Order: sequence, then structure tokens, then C-alpha cells
Amino acid sequence: AQTVTQSQPEMSVQEAETVTLSCTYDTSENNYYLFWYKQPPSRQMILVIRQEAYKQQNATENRFSVNFQKAAKSFSLKISDSQLGDTAMYFCAFMMSTGTASKLTFGTGTRLQVTL
Amino acid sequence: DGGITQSPKYLFRKEGQNVTLSCEQNLNHDAMYWYRQDPGQGLRLIYYSQIVNDFQKGDIAEGYSVSREKKESFPLTVTSAQKNPTAFYLCASSRRDRSATQYFGPGTRLLVL
Repeated sequence: AQTVTQSQPEMSVQEAETVTLSCTYDTSENNYYLFWYKQPPSRQMILVIRQEAYKQQNATENRFSVNFQKAAKSFSLKISDSQLGDTAMYFCAFMMSTGTASKLTFGTGTRLQVTL
Repeated sequence: DGGITQSPKYLFRKEGQNVTLSCEQNLNHDAMYWYRQDPGQGLRLIYYSQIVNDFQKGDIAEGYSVSREKKESFPLTVTSAQKNPTAFYLCASSRRDRSATQYFGPGTRLLVL
């Protein structure tokens, strides 16, 4: 079974600074997908970024980028120029590519607080 | 606008009562999912459905039941057999392929009276 570990329960960053959230995972599969989802106080889960394991290039979405290290099974999220609206729980998730079902395995989350 | 709706936002259950959570999507997605979220934990998969009239158990299906009579709808029933139903429930949907991204609804908070 796949597992996803987020070792930082809480983090804090000042507005306009950069912060990196860590995620490691365990799998014996070679083809898979990794995601970061954001859950603000409204509790709606919002997709932040997605990475395909077969791609060497790290995914980026505006101020959000990942550092994907396949051999180390590491998938960290970097948030640049942090904004107050980035305050949320951030979940790392793993999706195995088998059959036609896209089943997600989530980490326990990192609570990020952006301060003035 | 295309999206996923869940109702109600808050739901209260009495002991021994079955309650049903609604999930509707107009994204034309074939696959739909139900997750449970407890404090300090990530989301755990309850049930999922890849096509109408078909569904499979997830990791924590005991005490829950689902139906999939329409493509747009995937209701979840929390039965009296679920002894600890207090949680936040999230519905998601995706295309029916192994690379598909899941998109989530706003969730339902279930509390036991």
C-alpha cells in the first residue's frame, strides 16, 4: 500500500516571503501522479498543482512550484511571495496509475499560517 | 458554472438514524468519490463509482452505503451501523481514466446529537 508523509504539522511564513512544505511517499510503482491540494478555512479542497512521475521537469503554477525527487520519493511544494490568502491546510496526495480508477492517498496535512 | 455541489452544509444525526448526504456534479464526469476527513488526519476513501450503476468500496466503507442511479448524482448514506459518524464528508469527481485529477465539492459537516 502507498503511504504519504507530511512531517510538518504547522508552519508559519511572513507575507511576501518564500516557504517550502515537505512531502515524502512510499511506493513500489513507477507510474503515478502527485498532487498538492489546499484547504482554506472554508474547507473546500482546491487543487494547487499536479506532477506526473514520468516527467522530469518540475511543475509550476504561478507562485507555486514543486521539487520532485523521484529517487528520493520526495515532493515538496514551494510557495513564493506568500500572500495572506495562502493561509490554509495543505495536503500532499499520491495517485497510482492502474486500471481506470484514480484513487488518491492523502498525507495528514500541513497547516500554513501567513502573517503580516 | 460547472462544479460540484453538496448538501446540506451541516447535518445532525440522532442515535440509530440513517442520514443521506447529497452530491451532484455538472462536470460530465463519469467517476465520483466520497471521502471522510477527521481532525488531524488526511482524507480517507469511503466509496467510489466509475460509472452509473456500479460502485466499489474504499478503505473505510463499513457503516456506509451509496447508489449511482444517475451520472450526475452519488448520494452517501451514513447508516446506524457507523458508530463514529461525526466527521467532514467530501465528495469528488473526475474523468474516468487513470490519470484524471479529482475535483472536490464544498463538503458536509455531520454531527451526532
